[in-house]
Amino acid sequence: DTAVSQTPKYLVTQMGNDKSIKCEQNLGHDTMYWYKQDSKKFLKIMFSYNNKELIINETVPNRFSPKSPDKAHLNLHINSLELGDSAVYFCASSPTASHLNYGYTFGSGTRLTVV
Amino acid sequence: GEDVEQSLFLSVREGDSSVINCTYTDSSSTYLYWYKQEPGAGLQLLTYIFSNMDMKQDQRLTVLLNKKDKHLSLRIADTQTGDSAIYFCAESMSSASKIIFGSGTRLSIRP
Repeated sequence: DTAVSQTPKYLVTQMGNDKSIKCEQNLGHDTMYWYKQDSKKFLKIMFSYNNKELIINETVPNRFSPKSPDKAHLNLHINSLELGDSAVYFCASSPTASHLNYGYTFGSGTRLTVV
Repeated sequence: GEDVEQSLFLSVREGDSSVINCTYTDSSSTYLYWYKQEPGAGLQLLTYIFSNMDMKQDQRLTVLLNKKDKHLSLRIADTQTGDSAIYFCAESMSSASKIIFGSGTRLSIRP
C-alpha cells in the first residue's frame, strides 16, 4: 500500500553506463518531483512535473532526462553516469503544484553508487 | 534569494527537551515545514505552519515562527531514543511551486 514507491532501492553501476529509476504514486496527486540528496544530506530539487508537464527544471546536466507517461509516474533516466552522480535520489509528490500546505509525500529513496 | 540554514548537530539527554533552530531568507514564504529522516528512509512530514501563524503545537512537538526575524524552531518535549534522526527545516512559496530544504540537523540522544 506504499504511497510513493521508487525502484530500485539500490543501484550500483560503472561510469559511463545509462540507468533509469522509476517512481509511482497512488495518491492521486497532480505533481511529482525528483530531488537529489548528496553525501552531506543536502537536498536539492532537480525536476517537477504537473499533470505530465515539466514545470521545474533546475540547472541539471542534460544527461538527466525525466519522463512522465502519466501523472502517477515520473521516471528518471541518466546517461553516461559519472562518479559525481552518486547520491540518494528521492521521488516525491504533492496534491497540486501551487498549494503546498501539506508538503510532499516522499518515496524511500534510491541510493545510486557509480564506481 | 532562497536559503534555509540550520546547525548540523544537536545532542540532548533522553527525557530533556530538544530545540532545533532554523533561519530562512525569503520573506514571501507561505508555508514552513519540519521533516524527519531516519537512517535509510525517506523524509516524513512532522508538522507545518502557515506563515501567518506564530505557534503550532501537536503532542510533543511545538513549532515557533518569528516572521520578523525569519526564524523557525522545533521543540520536542521529553526526547526519546526514537527521536534520533535528521530534522529538515523547509519553506515553500505558492509562486515557486517547490519546497526548499535546509541542510538538516542530526539529533542524537544521550542516555
